[in-house]
Amino acid sequence: SAVISQKPSRDICQRGTSLTIQCQVDSQVTMMFWYRQQPGQSLTLIATANQGSEATYESGFVIDKFPISRPNLTFSTLTVSNMSPEDSSIYLCSVYSTGTDTQYFGPGTRLTVL
Amino acid sequence: QKEVEQDPGPLSVPEGAIVSLNCTYSNSAFQYFMWYRQYSRKGPELLMYTYSSGNKEDGRFTAQVDKSSKYISLFIRDSQPSDSATYLCAMRENQGGKLIFGQGTELSVKP
Repeated sequence: SAVISQKPSRDICQRGTSLTIQCQVDSQVTMMFWYRQQPGQSLTLIATANQGSEATYESGFVIDKFPISRPNLTFSTLTVSNMSPEDSSIYLCSVYSTGTDTQYFGPGTRLTVL
Repeated sequence: QKEVEQDPGPLSVPEGAIVSLNCTYSNSAFQYFMWYRQYSRKGPELLMYTYSSGNKEDGRFTAQVDKSSKYISLFIRDSQPSDSATYLCAMRENQGGKLIFGQGTELSVKP
């Protein structure tokens, strides 16, 4: 299984600011994903980030709001831009392992926007 | 209508009880079915993985898939307080495809 770390683990931010979340994996993976988990809600896929190509965003999510970088096979960042209280959520990084046909998740970043 | 429906609970049971968690879905193309367990303030961890219909058992956990009814279940035998967590069903159409999650069921096992 892949071991995934995220930074920061939590943050409290002011409206209108931006936060960049980092995701580090202990092995090289092609497919990485970013999810949002709002209180009492399911996991919602924000985008798929494959190394060497532009991130693919799901309906309702746009690059200007959630820019993603994927500079190599073990690292990715998600930025939450121009934040509002509605962006308060847990943001989860995930990777897909072709060997086990499984998605593994990081511990999440708990974001509160005031 | 959501693609995957899951009763959010909360579900509270005494220690030692058999727990049944369920999800229904509408997309008949789903072939891969998973159950994730998520402890408070942690990321989801894969608990069970099933391809197509049938049963799969792993220790105290049994996953069932009934594709004809578009219904999947997770059974936990001899439940323990350490099983207290949120259980999320997830499914997808093909390998490496987009995972669709249920809302998650919050389970509490009381000593």
